[in-house]
Amino acid sequence: GDSVTQMEGPVTLSEEAFLTINCTYTATGYPSLFWYVQYPGEGLQLLLKATKADDKGSNKGFEATYRKETTSFHLEKGSVQVSDSAVYFCALNHPNAGGTSYGKLTFGQGTILTVHP
Amino acid sequence: NAGVTQTPKFQVLKTGQSMTLQCAQDMNHEYMSWYRQDPGMGLRLIHYSVGAGITDQGEVPNGYNVSRSTTEDFPLRLLSAAPSQTSVYFCASSYSGGGVETQYFGPGTRLLVL
Repeated sequence: GDSVTQMEGPVTLSEEAFLTINCTYTATGYPSLFWYVQYPGEGLQLLLKATKADDKGSNKGFEATYRKETTSFHLEKGSVQVSDSAVYFCALNHPNAGGTSYGKLTFGQGTILTVHP
Repeated sequence: NAGVTQTPKFQVLKTGQSMTLQCAQDMNHEYMSWYRQDPGMGLRLIHYSVGAGITDQGEVPNGYNVSRSTTEDFPLRLLSAAPSQTSVYFCASSYSGGGVETQYFGPGTRLLVL
């Protein structure tokens, strides 16, 4: 079955440092890939997504590129801020020809990011 | 729009008690799902629904029941709570139109079973 593996956390960085959170996946066919973020005490919010090989998703300074050859979707940000402290989840779904996965996502275990001033 | 709402925010149960976690969405989304979040395990799918009257099991369905009588509501029932069901529960909704399906999550219900 499908699976998603994220780098072990927690990750602690100083403000303005470069961030990479690794994500690899196992899936048949052509899944869509997502990064979700969970701020303290809140639900999950979509951060970015990519639907096919070599697509780059980006939002709020974060980027991730869908690499089919390495089955990876690593999250990067050039300069983190204290406000980026959160839990980050990599996830995938398997849409059908119409783009639907019926609400089913497979998540990685999450990576806790703490950014210090 | 309120989006996806969940009640209660926090609940303490004793082993063997029953309860219903409520979930509602006002976006007219077709699909709704329930996940549980446990430390080090990410989110795991419990049950999902593709429309009113249609539900199916996810990865970890044991001990939970669902029904969907309306498009808006998707309650999750614990018939006899167990300590292993201590977790944070998230409800989500999504729709199929307009490109890649995107899930919208509620704020979560934190459940403690003693």
